[in-house]
Amino acid sequence: GIQVEQSPPDLILQEGANSTLRCNFSDSVNNLQWFHQNPWGQLINLFYIPSGTKQNGRLSATTVATERYSLLYISSSQTTDSGVYFCAVGDGGSQGNLIFGKGTKLSVKP
Amino acid sequence: DTEVTQTPKHLVMGMTNKKSLKCEQHMGHRAMYWYKQKAKKPPELMFVYSYEKLSINESVPSRFSPECPNSSLLNLHLHALQPEDSALYLCASRQFRGGEQYFGPGTRLTVT
Repeated sequence: GIQVEQSPPDLILQEGANSTLRCNFSDSVNNLQWFHQNPWGQLINLFYIPSGTKQNGRLSATTVATERYSLLYISSSQTTDSGVYFCAVGDGGSQGNLIFGKGTKLSVKP
Repeated sequence: DTEVTQTPKHLVMGMTNKKSLKCEQHMGHRAMYWYKQKAKKPPELMFVYSYEKLSINESVPSRFSPECPNSSLLNLHLHALQPEDSALYLCASRQFRGGEQYFGPGTRLTVT
């Protein structure tokens, strides 16, 4: 099956700093999503980005499908950005099942 | 509206109890999912329903029994659970033909 690797596993930032999170996947995918899981467990959709580049406020994402990676950029980080960021890719089946990476735990210090 | 709701938010149950988790969406999505998430781990797929029919069961023990009574509702019936079943249970939905999955806020289950 498809393998999904995220790096770094942990990241500590000072408020206002920028960061880049990476997601590598082992096979071509037709679905890739980035999520932010807040401390209460809610998975918040950040981007649906099987290819290309998208931006939403301070966040942007780029997926290079031919090279099997995706990047999530966080600029001017805030304490509310803390939590776990998951990359998930579709397994290629018609059900749209997602395979999650292990996540990047981000802590933003004031 | 991209909301998936789940009830209850928290549940504590004994190993002999029977309880149910509920999930609801009104986005017209015809694929619905149950995931289990243990602490410090990613979500793991348990069940997939497509057009109200169970299409995937990821070798989940029979003490977990899913039900999809209509296109908007998804239940997970729990019976004779073990303490190791304590986890966050997440529901998600998606258009059948593609697009992104949307997750509910989860039910945090503790089995005593």
